[in-house]
Amino acid sequence: GAVVSQHPSWVICKSGTSVKIECRSLDFQATTMFWYRQFPKQSLMLMATSNEGSKATYEQGVEKDKFLINHASLTLSTLTVTSAHPEDSSFYICSASKSSGATEQFFGPGTRLTVL
Amino acid sequence: SQQGEEDPQALSIQEGENATMNCSYKTSINNLQWYRQNSGRGLVHLILIRSNEREKHSGRLRVTLDTSKKSSSLLITASRAADTASYFCAANFGNEKLTFGTGTRLTIIP
Repeated sequence: GAVVSQHPSWVICKSGTSVKIECRSLDFQATTMFWYRQFPKQSLMLMATSNEGSKATYEQGVEKDKFLINHASLTLSTLTVTSAHPEDSSFYICSASKSSGATEQFFGPGTRLTVL
Repeated sequence: SQQGEEDPQALSIQEGENATMNCSYKTSINNLQWYRQNSGRGLVHLILIRSNEREKHSGRLRVTLDTSKKSSSLLITASRAADTASYFCAANFGNEKLTFGTGTRLTIIP
C-alpha cells in the first residue's frame, strides 16, 4: 500500500493566526512530498515541492515566507500558513512519491482551512 | 501555463450509460494520469498511460492517448451512481511534478 494521511482534516482559525498542517506517509518512505491548494470547483495548483532534509522549492507566485514547509523526515512534511487571512481559505492537499524522480504520487485526504 | 484543459467541465448522464471525458495539453509529456476526487476528499489514482502507449484499460475504465493531438480521453463504461465525482487528468512533463487539468464534474443520475 501507499497511504498518506493529513492532519487536521479541517481547521477554522482567526485572521492573523498561523496554522500547521501535517502530511504523513504511513507505510512508505517519501523522498519527495508535494503541497497543492484547491479552491472550490477548481483544479489543484502545485504550491511547492519538498525533499527530506532540504529546502522546499516553491512554484512561481507562492510566497515562501507565508507558506512555510518543513520536510524533517522521510515520513513527515508540514505546511504552516503564517498570519492567515480569509483569502488563504482553501483545500490543501499533500502528496508523496516513493523515490526521487518517480512520477506516481500518492495523495492525502486534504485539509480544509477556513480563515475567519 | 501548462495547465491542461478538460472538457466537458460538467457532465450528467443516466446510470448505465457511458461517460467520456477529454483532456488536452500543450507540450510533450512523459506520461498522463487520471484521478478521481469525491467532493471534499483527496484524489484517487485511476490510470497512468505513458507517452508510448495508446490505450489502457482498468476494469470499466478505458484511457486513450493521442500524442499527435496532445489529447487523452477517459471512458467510463456502464456508469454507476458511485462514479459521481470530479475527474482530473494530470500531465507529467518529464520531471517529478504533475500539472493538473481543469477537471470534469461527472454526475450519474440513478
